[in-house]
Amino acid sequence: NAGVTQTPKFQVLKTGQSMTLQCAQDMNHEYMSWYRQDPGMGLRLIHYSVGAGITDQGEVPNGYNVSRSTTEDFPLRLLSAAPSQTSVYFCASRGAGAPNTGELFFGEGSRLTVL
Amino acid sequence: AQTVTQSQPEMSVQEAETVTLSCTYDTSENNYYLFWYKQPPSRQMILVIRQEAYKQQNATENRFSVNFQKAAKSFSLKISDSQLGDTAMYFCAFGEGPTGANNLFFGTGTRLTVIP
Repeated sequence: NAGVTQTPKFQVLKTGQSMTLQCAQDMNHEYMSWYRQDPGMGLRLIHYSVGAGITDQGEVPNGYNVSRSTTEDFPLRLLSAAPSQTSVYFCASRGAGAPNTGELFFGEGSRLTVL
Repeated sequence: AQTVTQSQPEMSVQEAETVTLSCTYDTSENNYYLFWYKQPPSRQMILVIRQEAYKQQNATENRFSVNFQKAAKSFSLKISDSQLGDTAMYFCAFGEGPTGANNLFFGTGTRLTVIP
């Protein structure tokens, strides 16, 4: 059981470049989300989705786009990378059916550096 | 957004001793969930323990237990018989219930070092 898979694990970008962080889960979870982790700031929610075709903004959505065309995939797009987006990004998912513990299942994270 | 506060950026404990990590949160909801996640150097986020607000009994998972004080909005984690493998960042998280569209909000974390 692969769980939540994120790619790439590491990426270096130049300012202004675009890229997509991929996230896939094989647990048939309806809820998926993206967080960024910065030193001293914990994990902050970027975007989330409660099902295919539905997305919404979290706490820090600026500079990021998402889409949810399938239940399995939830890519995060940076259209024009900025040094302030240097961070570690986590994708997480959760099922909605019973039993539902509320627990989020996380990917291994993607470290992004923007020069 | 909900507020989750972890006031101890760093802590250390001797191996085999007990340590308590603090967490407070702010909410007007009555039904919610609380979690402690562990992040070792591998970066993987691992669920340590969870607590439903409607349950008065404190959750326990082996060496990990919580002290949930609903009126005080406090949710501390106690690690007994600390082991070297407990060295990690620990994040407290809050989620409104019932789950579904509700998001988890995280504190800023406590870096715990277990000293041999």
